[in-house]
This record gives sequence, structure tokens and C-alpha cells, in this order.
Amino acid sequence: DTEVTQTPKHLVMGMTNKKSLKCEQHMGHRAMYWYKQKAKKPPELMFVYSYEKLSINESVPSRFSPECPNSSLLNLHLHALQPEDSALYLCASSQSAWPLSSYNSPLHFGNGTRLTVT
Amino acid sequence: SQQGEEDPQALSIQEGENATMNCSYKTSINNLQWYRQNSGRGLVHLILIRSNEREKHSGRLRVTLDTSKKSSSLLITASRAADTASYFCATGGSGSRLTFGEGTQLTVNP
Repeated sequence: DTEVTQTPKHLVMGMTNKKSLKCEQHMGHRAMYWYKQKAKKPPELMFVYSYEKLSINESVPSRFSPECPNSSLLNLHLHALQPEDSALYLCASSQSAWPLSSYNSPLHFGNGTRLTVT
Repeated sequence: SQQGEEDPQALSIQEGENATMNCSYKTSINNLQWYRQNSGRGLVHLILIRSNEREKHSGRLRVTLDTSKKSSSLLITASRAADTASYFCATGGSGSRLTFGEGTQLTVNP
């Protein structure tokens, strides 16, 4: 079991739909992350929130919109996605805030949301 | 672009054997981490080794780091079927993003 909880586990959406992915952690971690992972590839960083503020946006298309309502919650709002956006979306958290987390703080991952865009 | 490269891409062994995976990277780092990912699940952190460390152990895991060669290895001793997973190295430090290697798919046959 993971201490980072992601919902839903699976999501199928059409290209005109709007949906949201949710992530929750109660470990008091100061940074939260969204990663995208395609089959048989490593995770790719999308966004980093540190102390509830967006610290990194890896040039992600605007059809992905992150939100951090509080220190325990992280959302990813999806709109007008393309079939190539189908992937496993992983949320992670780290005890240290960014950028200190890159020095010494392992990432704790959720089990992801398997997204299929039709 | 991903900094880490892992070798081999796939490894198949029998239960009880040792498994060794290698990771090479290109720029200087502060630390190197290893993660495991079971099929369809999230990544699980295994071990973090800092740039001033040469070897680290955790249970059946042994990680070495050679900063002069910009490489690391992960050794899993006495492997079990439950060790079947993808293993990723990740490099971090100096405020840079944690960058994952391409991964090694380990299959341990019962």
C-alpha cells in the first residue's frame, strides 16, 4: 500500500471531456509532483508544487492544468486531451521542498491513474 | 532528455540467483536513487546514495557508486519471484530535476 493516494485508478475520456485527477498525501510532505509515464518508458516530470506554489512547469500543454488547494491535495485538470495523452499519470510527494528535495529527499509515489483518451 | 542509461534493458534469471543492473549518467550529481516499479503500479523508492558515498546496503540490495566513471550498480542477492519488476535509477542534485533512466526489466523465474 502507498501513502500517496490517487483517484481514480482508471479513467476513459473523450477528447471533448473535462475531467480531474486527484492526489492526496498526509505525510506532511512539502512538495508534490505530477509525472506522466508511457508504456515501457521512465516517468517524465510535468509539474512540481512546493509549499502549495507552482515551482516547475515542464512546458506542459495548457490542456493540463494543475491545482494545489492545500498542502495535502494535488489535482490535475484535463480538458480537450488528445489520444497521445493516454498514459499512466503518477503523483508523488517529497518531504523536502523544491529545490532542496533534489538533494536528499526520495519521492513517494502513488499507484497512478491509467488514462485513456478516445 | 533522460540523463541515466541503464544496462541491461531486460534481465531474466532464476530464483536464488543474483541480479545486477547498471546505470550510467552524464553530468555531476549530488545523489543517485534507485526505484522499483511493479507492473501497473507506482514507483517505490529503494535506496539513495550520495555522491560522497561509494557503497550502500539495504537488506538484499547493494548499491555502488563510482563518480569518476559516472556509473552505479544495483545488486539484488538471492532473488525471489516477487523481485520481478522494472528498476529505474534516478539522478538528482544541484537544484536539477530528478531524472530517471530508461529502466531495467527484471524477471525472476520460479
